[in-house]
Amino acid sequence: GAGVSQTPSNKVTEKGKYVELRCDPISGHTALYWYRQSLGQGPEFLIYFQGTGAADDSGLPNDRFFAVRPEGSVSTLKIQRTERGDSAVYLCASSPLSGLAKNIQYFGAGTRLSVL
Amino acid sequence: DAKTTQPNSMESNEEEPVHLPCNHSTISGTDYIHWYRQLPSQGPEYVIHGLTSNVNNRMASLAIAEDRKSSTLILHRATLRDAAVYYCIQSTDSNYQLIWGAGTKLIIKP
Repeated sequence: GAGVSQTPSNKVTEKGKYVELRCDPISGHTALYWYRQSLGQGPEFLIYFQGTGAADDSGLPNDRFFAVRPEGSVSTLKIQRTERGDSAVYLCASSPLSGLAKNIQYFGAGTRLSVL
Repeated sequence: DAKTTQPNSMESNEEEPVHLPCNHSTISGTDYIHWYRQLPSQGPEYVIHGLTSNVNNRMASLAIAEDRKSSTLILHRATLRDAAVYYCIQSTDSNYQLIWGAGTKLIIKP
């Protein structure tokens, strides 16, 4: 079946601009996660959704970052007034909340964001 | 901060077994050990996870020490496609927030 899909795969923007990154989770997965990964480091947690609501947004670095999941499926990560330090790969993952796979997170290939 | 420690890198020969170590000395009784791997330019991929007993699946085996303060991921016969960064992660059953370290970069020599 289809895995987690992230678009675009690459995004180049200028400092100060607004960007939106999209994540299509695996169908039926209630949980959705956003991570950020800098070069040579492991992923860093940003936010977790259970259904439509953000159950934990403690990893969002500041109020320029915001994420939504209005219908409990597709999610959008929004970054306002981008800064060069926001350049990273943004990863999305989804998982079911029950069953044998409930402890497993399935990742997309990520969106590489470059802020010039 | 990550609760696990792993070597920065390891090398192995193709078609030989690989043992990737992980220390998790602060683990509690209900914490799971998860392993993910990340191939170049891809998102992380689940490998295996366990609580107390050793675990096997089609990708690998997970050997957990009796005191649970360390574990070893075993790739039984490494191929060039197994070259990746391998992450060992400690988390509770209900803790969705995986805390990742820098992982071990596995290099496979032909």
